[in-house]
Amino acid sequence: NAGVTQTPKFQVLKTGQSMTLQCAQDMNHNSMYWYRQDPGMGLRLIYYSASEGTTDKGEVPNGYNVSRLNKREFSLRLESAAPSQTSVYFCASSDLLASGELFFGEGSRLTVL
Amino acid sequence: GENVEQHPSTLSVQEGDSAVIKCTYSDSASNYFPWYKQELGKRPQLIIDIRSNVGEKKDQRIAVTLNKTAKHFSLHITETQPEDSAVYFCAASNPQRRDKIIFGKGTRLHILP
Repeated sequence: NAGVTQTPKFQVLKTGQSMTLQCAQDMNHNSMYWYRQDPGMGLRLIYYSASEGTTDKGEVPNGYNVSRLNKREFSLRLESAAPSQTSVYFCASSDLLASGELFFGEGSRLTVL
Repeated sequence: GENVEQHPSTLSVQEGDSAVIKCTYSDSASNYFPWYKQELGKRPQLIIDIRSNVGEKKDQRIAVTLNKTAKHFSLHITETQPEDSAVYFCAASNPQRRDKIIFGKGTRLHILP
């Protein structure tokens, strides 16, 4: 099993450009999450999807949009990238009712110039 | 919403000594408290968790204690080893609500030789 797969692993953007981070899981989990990780700030929740067809804002949703394409896939879009969005982005999935454990992808390092 | 505070932000201990990391949470409905370990350049991975129906849980050299009344929980690592050097994150949630999972800001643990 691949677990949680994120693409791309690295990306450099110019201010104002747009891009989509892709995430897919093969564990049949209902819930999926996007976090960003910045030095000293821990893991901050951007958006989450408790189940297929639903999405909700997390702690830091401004400047981002998400799409829960199907049960497996949850994408994060930056419509107009800003330097403040330079970060490492982690996608995660969970079967909340089974264990609550989050399974993370390897992360995507995004730099906005 | 839930707010999780984690202390200290950095901790250095001599190899073989014990390390304790503490977290407090704000939402009394939270009933699931996991701890994740993140090694440098890697994804966070669950190392231990506790649910609100127990006060303590152990797994070899690591243990977690929970005080529901005071809304705090702690990670204890005994007989620390070099491979324990990492960043540790606590989190609090209520999986049954399928709600957001909020993390503390993390503790960087250094094991000194």
